[in-house]
Amino acid sequence: EVQVMESGGGLVKPGGSLRLSCAASGFTFSSYSLTWVRQAPGKGLEWVASIIAGGGYIYYADSVKGRFTISRDDARNSGSLQMNSLRGEDTAVYYCQSRYEIFDYWGQGTLVTVSS
Amino acid sequence: SYVLTQPPSVSVAPGKTATITCEGNNIGDKNVHWYQQKPGQAPVLVVFDNSDRPSGIPERLSGSNSGYTATLTISRVEAADEADYYCQVWDSTSDHFVFGIGTKVTVL
Repeated sequence: EVQVMESGGGLVKPGGSLRLSCAASGFTFSSYSLTWVRQAPGKGLEWVASIIAGGGYIYYADSVKGRFTISRDDARNSGSLQMNSLRGEDTAVYYCQSRYEIFDYWGQGTLVTVSS
Repeated sequence: SYVLTQPPSVSVAPGKTATITCEGNNIGDKNVHWYQQKPGQAPVLVVFDNSDRPSGIPERLSGSNSGYTATLTISRVEAADEADYYCQVWDSTSDHFVFGIGTKVTVL
């Protein structure tokens, strides 16, 4: 059974840090790109960052570049998003997406709330 | 930066056809993906590469892309089609994925 599961969300103060994790199973994770997408409360989807299969290419949205770091560990079928210098506008549900051609798997999301 | 424009909402009666547009500069030169999202759930890919469907997605959902407009068409609309729909492209100029603002489809 295919599973993608995010963890690590929570309440953090502005300027703080948080590390999100994404655990995958049931498919060949190493062949899939890994992307983080977020959704602020009541808003649309926003692409955050992507790391291509093999890890050779990494891309960030302008809104998080320099503050967030995406990584993957294919040996552990997992990925992560290190988030530093968090701001109120980073408050959102963060989804982990794994994609390879026609196969597209999402987790259920983890909520990050940035508030004092 | 590349911008995708979608209508905020579309209303359609059961059994009729819903058309959701996604406009962008020369979007016909890009591959467009469409996601369906129901309240409280993760997005689901319903069309990829303009017009292909993942397994399990009904043929009633179809996509096209030409010129400045990509379109997701839902034929014979059912109550279960009520959801938000997002278009997405990869912009190779900026090396960014871009989402449209989403279209809320309401089944009357």
